[in-house]
Amino acid sequence: EVQLVESGGGLVQPGGSLRLSCAASGFTFSSYAMSWVRQAPGKGMDWVSGISGSGGSTFYAGSVKGRFTISRDNAKNTVHLQMSSLRAEDTAVYFCAKDSDEAGKVLSLFDRWGQGILVTVSS
Amino acid sequence: DIVMTQSPDSLTVSLGERATINCKSSQSVLYSSNNKNYLAWYQQKPGQPPKLLIYWASIREYGVPDRFSGSGSGTDFTLTISSLQAEDVAVYYCQQYYTTPETIGQGTFGQGTKLEIK
Repeated sequence: EVQLVESGGGLVQPGGSLRLSCAASGFTFSSYAMSWVRQAPGKGMDWVSGISGSGGSTFYAGSVKGRFTISRDNAKNTVHLQMSSLRAEDTAVYFCAKDSDEAGKVLSLFDRWGQGILVTVSS
Repeated sequence: DIVMTQSPDSLTVSLGERATINCKSSQSVLYSSNNKNYLAWYQQKPGQPPKLLIYWASIREYGVPDRFSGSGSGTDFTLTISSLQAEDVAVYYCQQYYTTPETIGQGTFGQGTKLEIK
């Protein structure tokens, strides 16, 4: 059974940093791209960042480019999102999502999601 | 960015009746080289993550009941629940995953449609 478990969320002041992690199990992790998708309170979904199965290609939404960094450790089956220069508008539940493409490309068609973790940016 | 617009924003349907949700994209998500529509539907119940229901506009994900169906092509798409069950109460999102080399990963979602029981 595929499982994705996020950790690392919490309350952070504007301008601060936070590192999210997602532990994956139940599938061949290195064969699939992974993404982070966020949902602001009471709002819809916004794709944040994606990384290919090999880790060699990374992609970002314009709103986070230059502030967030995605990475993965295929030996530990984990994907991370390093967030810096955080703003109030980054407040959201962040979901780790598994891409469906078996070739490890970032397709952004998500067939499995974690439960999500809340990040609150506030003073 | 491709903008996805769903209608209606909310929908109230009686048990056993048909529910229809529409999704319109600001540009075509049909890729001519493979004739596939890069359009998915997700279901999100309160306190849960989204669940993939439909992909390539009309292919049901494994395990999704056959009362759920997707249709449409190009810019106009529909999710239909043929006979509403109590467990179908949720917010439904469409998402396009049609990207160019300059927009890889930037799959955009509709604003969501809240489905309730009458």
